[in-house]
Formats: sequence, C-alpha cells, structure tokens
Amino acid sequence: KQEVTQIPAALSVPEGENLVLNCSFTDSAIYNLQWFRQDPGKGLTSLLLIQSSQREQTSGRLNASLDKSSGRSTLYIAASQPGDSATYLCAVTRTGTASKLTFGTGTRLQVTL
Amino acid sequence: KAGVTQTPRYLIKTRGQQVTLSCSPISGHRSVSWYQQTPGQGLQFLFEYFSETQRNKGNFPGRFSGRQFSNSRSEMNVSTLELGDSALYLCASSYEGVETQYFGPGTRLLVL
Repeated sequence: KQEVTQIPAALSVPEGENLVLNCSFTDSAIYNLQWFRQDPGKGLTSLLLIQSSQREQTSGRLNASLDKSSGRSTLYIAASQPGDSATYLCAVTRTGTASKLTFGTGTRLQVTL
Repeated sequence: KAGVTQTPRYLIKTRGQQVTLSCSPISGHRSVSWYQQTPGQGLQFLFEYFSETQRNKGNFPGRFSGRQFSNSRSEMNVSTLELGDSALYLCASSYEGVETQYFGPGTRLLVL
C-alpha cells in the first residue's frame, strides 16, 4: 500500500526566503507525482505535475524534482511571498490506476512579512 | 474555460439521512474523481468515473455511491449518513484521468 509523507508538517519563513518542501513515498512504481496548494476552506490548485520519466518541472518561482529510486520529491519555492501561505500537498498515482491520487499529509506554510 | 463546479457548497444533514452532491467538470473532460477530506484522515480517494463507467474505487463502504451522466457531470450519493461522514467532498476532472487533475471548490457536509 502506497504511503506518502510530507515533512515538515508546518513551516514559517520570512518573506523573501527560498524554501524546500519534502515528499516521500514508499512504492516507487508511480505513474506521476503532482504538487497542489490548498488555501483554507478551499479546493486544491494544481501547481506542477511530474511524469515518472521526468526529473523535474518548473513553473515561475516553483521547481519540483523527482527521484523515483529513493522515493522522494521536493518542491522548491524561490523568493517566498505572503501570498504563498497555504497548505502544500503532494500526490502520487500508480501505474494501472493512474487516475487515483494518493495524497501526502501536507505541509502548512506561512510566509511572514 | 470555466473551472470545476460543485453544488451545493454547504450542507447540513442529520444522521440517517441521505445526500446527493453534484460535480460539473471542465468542458471536454471525461474523467471525474471524488475525494473526501477530513482533519483526521486527510484526502482519501472515493471513486472515479470515466465515460459513465466507474473505473476506480477506493476503500469506502457501499453507502457511498456515484454515477456519471453522458455530459460528464457526476453525482455522489451517501446514504444513511453517519457523524463521521462530516467532511469536505472534492471532485476533480481531467481529460483521460491520467493527466493534471483540476479540483472544484468542494462541498462541505456537516452531519448532526
């Protein structure tokens, strides 16, 4: 059974800092990995999707990497802003059931002024 | 394009009642998935529908059911509600189910 863990559970940083969020998964037979953000009481917003054959994806100030062999992904946020404050979730899909997302526990990020 | 829409946004029910939630996917998307989010269990997969057929199913009791219509809109039904069914129910859509999934704002269900 796939288990996805995110460390740390919560993080507070001052504005302008670069930061890294971690995601670990136990089963390396993944189809893809997706990073989302969730604002309080809202739905999920997709940030980046990495296919299992890829090593990284970039979008603006965000960069996500994937290392299947070690079962890890990182989300790098450059020059953090207060608007980045949210809960960040990673989710993996498995080959054969690629529509089923297995979510991590989330990292709650607060960027302070 | 309009995003994924879910109705209603909020619901209050009592134990033993049943409830139906609706999800309209992004135009052109044929896959609709449903998730339950609770503080204790996090986000858990309920089921996925593709072209009116249930393609994947999570580990939820049979009280949770769904269906998809020919226009790809989907409904989820929960019968004999329990207090533990209180949660945020999210639906997500994508073209084929294997690409980026786009989530709706959710329906917050409170069971009293």
